Amino acid sequence: SSELTQPPSVSVSPGQTAKITCSGDVFPKKCVYWYQRKSGQAPVLVIYEDTKRPSGIPERFSGSTSGVVATLTITGAQVEDEADYYCYSTDRSHNPLFGDGTKLTVL
Amino acid sequence: QITLKESGPMVVKPTQTLTLTCNFSGFSLTSNGVAVGWVRQSPGKGLEWLALIYWDDDKRYSLPLVNRLTIIKDTAKYQVVLTMTHMDPLDTGTYYCTHLTYDFKYYYYMDVWGKGTAVTVSS
Repeated sequence: SSELTQPPSVSVSPGQTAKITCSGDVFPKKCVYWYQRKSGQAPVLVIYEDTKRPSGIPERFSGSTSGVVATLTITGAQVEDEADYYCYSTDRSHNPLFGDGTKLTVL
Repeated sequence: QITLKESGPMVVKPTQTLTLTCNFSGFSLTSNGVAVGWVRQSPGKGLEWLALIYWDDDKRYSLPLVNRLTIIKDTAKYQVVLTMTHMDPLDTGTYYCTHLTYDFKYYYYMDVWGKGTAVTVSS
């Protein structure tokens, strides 16, 4: 069955660049999406269709893909970016599929 | 503006059936290319997709839970209802209702989420 693999954790200092990867055999045929979930809050879409940023999402968030690996990059990470990040796509049956999530620590 | 709001019991007993309602606004579930889904997050775990229902009443369920889940829509009331049978303490978590639309490749993704409702399974 399809899977999306993310690192469990990523840690950076404020102002540094954070990169979170997501690998899956559904790429590049299907798009990747990225959600940010802060503690006690609902997930928020931060990247859609691989590289696009919804309105209201800071420019420091960007997405890219290369083969079977998608990457969320936060350029100049802020303390308020500390959250769990999940990649998303659809499996071979076209049903929703989440990665296991990456805990980003900024300190 | 699309909004979704989940409601349901805060506590259910083991073996009972959970019924959750999603009330939404800003879109119609009769419109081509729209779906509503349910996602949960249990303590210490990641996001887990549960079920979704498309505008044309096509329904999809997470394979591990397919025998326990039922999703229906009431387009006139702008509601989607999810039922989960045989609740277990491991089903404790926050349950989210989501709006889905499709991308340029015609695969669906979740673009708007409700705030979620917390459910505890305990005797």
